[in-house]
Amino acid sequence: NAGVMQNPRHLVRRRGQEARLRCSPMKGHSHVYWYRQLPEEGLKFMVYLQKENIIDESGMPKERFSAEFPKEGPSILRIQQVVRGDSAAYFCASSPRPSGRGSQETQYFGPGTRLLVL
Amino acid sequence: AQSVTQLGSHVSVSEGALVLLRCNYSSSVPPYLFWYVQYPNQGLQLLLKYTSAATLVKGINGFEAEFKKSETSFHLTKPSAHMSDAAEYFCAVSSSGSARQLTFGSGTQLTVLP
Repeated sequence: NAGVMQNPRHLVRRRGQEARLRCSPMKGHSHVYWYRQLPEEGLKFMVYLQKENIIDESGMPKERFSAEFPKEGPSILRIQQVVRGDSAAYFCASSPRPSGRGSQETQYFGPGTRLLVL
Repeated sequence: AQSVTQLGSHVSVSEGALVLLRCNYSSSVPPYLFWYVQYPNQGLQLLLKYTSAATLVKGINGFEAEFKKSETSFHLTKPSAHMSDAAEYFCAVSSSGSARQLTFGSGTQLTVLP
């Protein structure tokens, strides 16, 4: 059973370009989470999605960032007009459908995409 | 609101010595608590989790953690450190309820000395 897949593993962009980060959840998982890790810091929650639905985007910057999880295909985190401050590791995690209200299923993390903005 | 504090950004122990990594949490509702380990340039691997069952939780690689509600703590321990334990360790909290995001501490870098 393959784990969470992310690609690319490393991405270099110049200021003003667009970055697209992809995440394929574990088989059978329908919930995806994106986190950002700045150098020397812990992970910060960005967005939580189910298929075709954004559930919680309270951690997403208001501008330039968007996320989707279409019915078919991977989840995409898109950063438009990147700036140097966007340089970070972006991690995707997936979990199965919660078993009940208030339950917390384990989140399994991918290897991350390391974005460098020149 | 929920938060996690990891005391000590860097911890060094000798091989074979006790490992103790501290984590204190804040949560307005009963929490779920997790410890993850991150090796260089890799993703996070789950070590163990607390979900309101037994307060002493055993995880992989010989690690365990004890949930102490009165102290709002969830410290990670291992009786005898191994060189392969050198990594960064993150404590995380998620509150029971509809919010499922994890809130992470800032991490503790563990160094194991020969």
